[in-house]
Amino acid sequence: AQSVSQHNHHVILSEAASLELGCNYSYGGTVNLFWYVQYPGQHLQLLLKYFSGDPLVKGIKGFEAEFIKSKFSFNLRKPSVQWSDTAEYFCAVKGVDTGRRALTFGSGTRLQVQP
Amino acid sequence: SQTIHQWPATLVQPVGSPLSLECTVEGTSNPNLYWYRQAAGRGLQLLFYSVGIGQISSEVPQNLSASRPQDRQFILSSKKLLLSDSGFYLCAWSARNQETQYFGPGTRLLVL
Repeated sequence: AQSVSQHNHHVILSEAASLELGCNYSYGGTVNLFWYVQYPGQHLQLLLKYFSGDPLVKGIKGFEAEFIKSKFSFNLRKPSVQWSDTAEYFCAVKGVDTGRRALTFGSGTRLQVQP
Repeated sequence: SQTIHQWPATLVQPVGSPLSLECTVEGTSNPNLYWYRQAAGRGLQLLFYSVGIGQISSEVPQNLSASRPQDRQFILSSKKLLLSDSGFYLCAWSARNQETQYFGPGTRLLVL
């Protein structure tokens, strides 16, 4: 069975600080990986995704994530956060060859950026 | 462009009452449709998904059911709500043979 762990439940940073949110998954086969973001009062939105190719993926708003297969990780990074990055961030995984259509989500990380 | 709607946005219901949450998608045909429940601190749990009209797959046994009467309409129902049904319900869609899912605004349900 697939599972996703997001170890940081609540992160508080000052503006301009660097961000790294951890995401580890458990599944031995080929995976598709996603980061979603939910800004206060808004829909859950896709931030970036990895299907294949370059393991360093760039998304919207200056975010990037690196897929490290040997570590089963897909950590999200941003070199300099802004107050507007305050949101909840969810990592999700889908095993490609499982036949299962749904994504498995982590429990989320709440990011609070202080001005 | 595609849009996804959910209603109502917020619902307060007594225990034992019925439930009907609606989700509709515009701007696409033959989407895969999904119902998730988001519990605080526990991420999103898939409840149901559908690959076509009348085709529903359930992920977890529960007090809820789903139906897809039309291609772009997905309904989440219950005959008798339980306190434990309280939560935030999200509908999502993905294009046929595509992995990326797009989420609706959600319905916050409080069962008292």
